[in-house]
Amino acid sequence: RKEVEQDPGPFNVPEGATVAFNCTYSNSASQSFFWYRQDCRKEPKLLMSVYSSGNEDGRFTAQLNRASQYISLLIRDSKLSDSATYLCVVTSYYGGSQGNLIFGKGTKLSVKP
Amino acid sequence: ETGVTQSPTHLIKTRGQQVTLRCSSQSGHNTVSWYQQALGQGPQFIFQYYREEENGRGNFPPRFSGLQFPNYSSELNVNALELDDSALYLCASSPWDSYGYTFGSGTRLTVV
Repeated sequence: RKEVEQDPGPFNVPEGATVAFNCTYSNSASQSFFWYRQDCRKEPKLLMSVYSSGNEDGRFTAQLNRASQYISLLIRDSKLSDSATYLCVVTSYYGGSQGNLIFGKGTKLSVKP
Repeated sequence: ETGVTQSPTHLIKTRGQQVTLRCSSQSGHNTVSWYQQALGQGPQFIFQYYREEENGRGNFPPRFSGLQFPNYSSELNVNALELDDSALYLCASSPWDSYGYTFGSGTRLTVV
């Protein structure tokens, strides 16, 4: 089983639509959670952190369910500029030192006019 | 403040050759991590350097090695290149004990 699993999509939606991405992770010891955005042939960029209480940043809402080991991202009022691959990321620790990021394969979103 | 700079941006190598990729970390960041991103996949952790020592390693063979220098810049070396090593190699820097990673724009390596 992969450590972080996402539906690869693609999700093709019209402008203004609401779209939701889901992600599951296998390591219950993971402590930090993020959504990254990656444009074609570019580096990943942090979109937002994800907290158990849920958090919102403008049109973006992220939620974490630790019991189900499930993370979600909701995008409201989709814009053409939201077209990208969205990567679900959890952290992994080793030997008490700083952990590393574990990425899912990403979910591709294409917003059409 | 400068971001993370990687060089070269693109590289073509022949199977069996060796390659060195370079990364300059963002100002104030003392930890550098390297990731490999194959086409259609998410980035995979190769290793991390802190205080010029390897601080953790993913599931990559020993022919993947690295260095960190006193100015926190870093190198990734890959020996005996294989076709499957073709990927985007990403460097990310952060302060120690922080997940405030900044990624470089990557080096796209093609092995033929």
